[in-house]
Amino acid sequence: GAGVSQSPSNKVTEKGKDVELRCDPISGHTALYWYRQSLGQGLEFLIYFQGNSAPDKSGLPSDRFSAERTGGSVSTLTIQRTQQEDSAVYLCASSSPRTIETQYFGPGTRLLVL
Amino acid sequence: QKEVEQNSGPLSVPEGAIASLNCTYSDRVSQSFFWYRQYSGKSPELIMSIYSNGDKEDGRFTAQLNKASQYVSLLIRDSQPSDSATYLCAVRAGGTSYGKLTFGQGTILTVHP
Repeated sequence: GAGVSQSPSNKVTEKGKDVELRCDPISGHTALYWYRQSLGQGLEFLIYFQGNSAPDKSGLPSDRFSAERTGGSVSTLTIQRTQQEDSAVYLCASSSPRTIETQYFGPGTRLLVL
Repeated sequence: QKEVEQNSGPLSVPEGAIASLNCTYSDRVSQSFFWYRQYSGKSPELIMSIYSNGDKEDGRFTAQLNKASQYVSLLIRDSQPSDSATYLCAVRAGGTSYGKLTFGQGTILTVHP
């Protein structure tokens, strides 16, 4: 099967606009993660979904950030009223129930806020 | 103090040499430790995980963990130019969900022919 897919691959938006980023995990993977990576920085954890459990939202930097996972598969990360400091690569990862700590990353969405 | 710190780079080694990448972490009850490799413009891929004190070997890669010193390292033997990448150390702290990994800022490794 296919790996983790993300769309769009690139997004340019104006400050103050809302954006939606999509992640389609590997089929059968119950866990889904969002990270962001700013230029020259490591990965910053944002949110984690595991099956039907309440998501771990402890990494979301502000209430402008939210994420949903519908039907236990596809996830959407929404950033409202974007700011220039939101510019980064947003990475999604997923893992299977048997090897929960082995995360497979998607190609990322490169977000630029002008 | 950052939760996960990696030795400052970039690190440059000749082909065939041993590359040593180091990482320290601040949370004493951390449970799981990972090394990811990230090629320029690509997404990270897991290359090693380690959970117990000591060494874990996989091919040319050896991960070393010392929980008393809060230290984890990655050795790459017989380094190849294809090993040139950014190496990210990641830690899962105790008491947190399985999904919450904390990453270091990464060390850029260059292996020159």
